[in-house]
Amino acid sequence: AQSVTQLDSHVSVSEGTPVLLRCNYSSSYSPSLFWYVQHPNKGLQLLLKYTSAATLVKGINGFEAEFKKSETSFHLTKPSAHMSDAAEYFCVVTAGTYKYIFGTGTRLKVLA
Amino acid sequence: GAVVSQHPSWVICKSGTSVKIECRSLDFQATTMFWYRQFPKQSLMLMATSNEGSKATYEQGVEKDKFLINHASLTLSTLTVTSAHPEDSSFYICSATGRTVQETQYFGPGTRLLVL
Repeated sequence: AQSVTQLDSHVSVSEGTPVLLRCNYSSSYSPSLFWYVQHPNKGLQLLLKYTSAATLVKGINGFEAEFKKSETSFHLTKPSAHMSDAAEYFCVVTAGTYKYIFGTGTRLKVLA
Repeated sequence: GAVVSQHPSWVICKSGTSVKIECRSLDFQATTMFWYRQFPKQSLMLMATSNEGSKATYEQGVEKDKFLINHASLTLSTLTVTSAHPEDSSFYICSATGRTVQETQYFGPGTRLLVL
């Protein structure tokens, strides 16, 4: 069965320092993987997606993620955090056609 | 990226009334749309999946007669909360996907429902 685990419920970083949000998945086939960001009282915005092409995926706002099959991971990174990055981040994995499993979310706090 | 709109963004209603929320895909054909409910500081809870022209598939524990979903066209799905009660107050988010967007979900901005 497919599953997704976001390893940290909260992450705090200082502005200008790197961001690492961790996501591990379990899948019996090659899934598609997504990262979304949600700002307060807003919908989810797609940051990036992996669909079995290049393992290093570049997204919007300077974010990128690397698909590592051997580690079943899809961690989200950004070299330098900005105050506007403070939000909730969700890792999502496909579990069949038009079926998706959400992680529990990671709240990123950026300190001035 | 693809755009999904949701209307209204905010609604306040009296207990016992019905509320309709619209979800539209603006620039792609959404063969499948999803309705989620989100409680404060929690992840999204899938309520139902709807395919254009067919009945919605509801998740376990979601009352079909209370949350009516219609997906009449490739760009529009509606969620009607019938006889709303205070416990229905929540943040409702729709998403849409389809072949033309490579099965990626695109989300609406959400609707905050407050039932008094």
